[in-house]
Parts: sequence; C-alpha cells; structure tokens
Amino acid sequence: RKEVEQDPGPFNVPEGATVAFNCTYSNSASQSFFWYRQDCRKEPKLLMSVYSSGNEDGRFTAQLNRASQYISLLIRDSKLSDSATYLCVVLAGGSYIPTFGRGTSLIVHP
Amino acid sequence: NAGVMQNPRHLVRRRGQEARLRCSPMKGHSHVYWYRQLPEEGLKFMVYLQKENIIDESGMPKERFSAEFPKEGPSILRIQQVVRGDSAAYFCASSPQGLENNEQFFGPGTRLTVL
Repeated sequence: RKEVEQDPGPFNVPEGATVAFNCTYSNSASQSFFWYRQDCRKEPKLLMSVYSSGNEDGRFTAQLNRASQYISLLIRDSKLSDSATYLCVVLAGGSYIPTFGRGTSLIVHP
Repeated sequence: NAGVMQNPRHLVRRRGQEARLRCSPMKGHSHVYWYRQLPEEGLKFMVYLQKENIIDESGMPKERFSAEFPKEGPSILRIQQVVRGDSAAYFCASSPQGLENNEQFFGPGTRLTVL
C-alpha cells in the first residue's frame, strides 16, 4: 500500500458544481496534513493546512478523519480557474520529510 | 520579497554530462528541500539541507547525485554523468524553520532534459 494515495482523476465538473477529493494515508503516526495546488508545469503552492477540527477558507473546506486515516478537500461553486492538480501532503510526527500524493486532476468546464 | 528562485529554468544535457541546478531560498529561510517530479508522478523527496549541513539525503541516489547549501550562495544539486532517466522537473522549496511548523515555498523548478 502506498504511503499516500489519491485518485488521479480527472474529475470533470461543470462550473458551479461541488466536488470533493479524498486522500488516504498509511502511517498512523502522521501529524500534519496539507493540500497543495499545482498548475500544469508550474510549482506546487499551498492551498491550505488541514487541522484536526477541519478548516474552511472561502469555497474550500478541508477535513481530517484520523480513525479512517484520510483527509478530504471540498470545493464549492467551482470556477474555471480551479482547474489544476490537487496534491495531498502528509508529514509524520517528528519528521521533516513530507510525503506527496500523486495528485488529483480537476477540470472545470463551462 | 523575492520568492524562491531556481536557475536555469530549462537545462538540456547529453548523456554523460554534468547537470548543476541552483536554488536561492526566500530571504530569511535557512531550510531547503529538493524534490524530483517525473511526468504524471508525484513529487519525491530527495534531500533536506540547512546552511552548510545536509540533514537528510535519504531520497537521493547514492551514485552521481550530490547537494550542498554553502554559507554564502545558493543551494546546488549536482548530477554527474546524467542518464536519460534523470530527465524530470527538479523543484526546490524553502522554509524558515522545520517543516512541521511552517509551510514550504516552492521555486518554479528546473526542467532537465537528457538527450
């Protein structure tokens, strides 16, 4: 089993739709979780950290489920500009080496 | 405040040549990470450095690859005697402290093509 797994997609959704991605992790000692966004042939950029209590930033909501060892990202009212690859990043407690998922591709069409 | 800078942005080498990739972290950042990304793959950790120290190089191949982060100047990732399989995008990222407390900021990457 891979350390961090994501459905590669692509998720093809119309503008205005709500879409959700999950990311599962295998290391139960994982402590820090992040979602990054990567546009085609560009560098990854932090979208949001994922806290135990969940967090929301505008149209984006991130959740952590420790019991089932997954994190999720919900995007409401999708925009064309949301089209990108969304990378899940996991950091084990006491570690400084992040593990990246392969990413989930999102395509928002008119 | 300039972001993380990498150069060159594109590098073409023939098999057997050396590739030298540079990364200048954000001002005030003393932690640098190097990653490799193959087409359709996720980012793979290679090496973590602080000024003048290699903290962890467990993700870097033992042969042909080396990295440094001198007291002055950029961090350098060096690949000797490149092979076609080294073709990839190489990203560096910097953070002011250890990663568990801070996000890392990525540079634009260097795309290495080995002919």
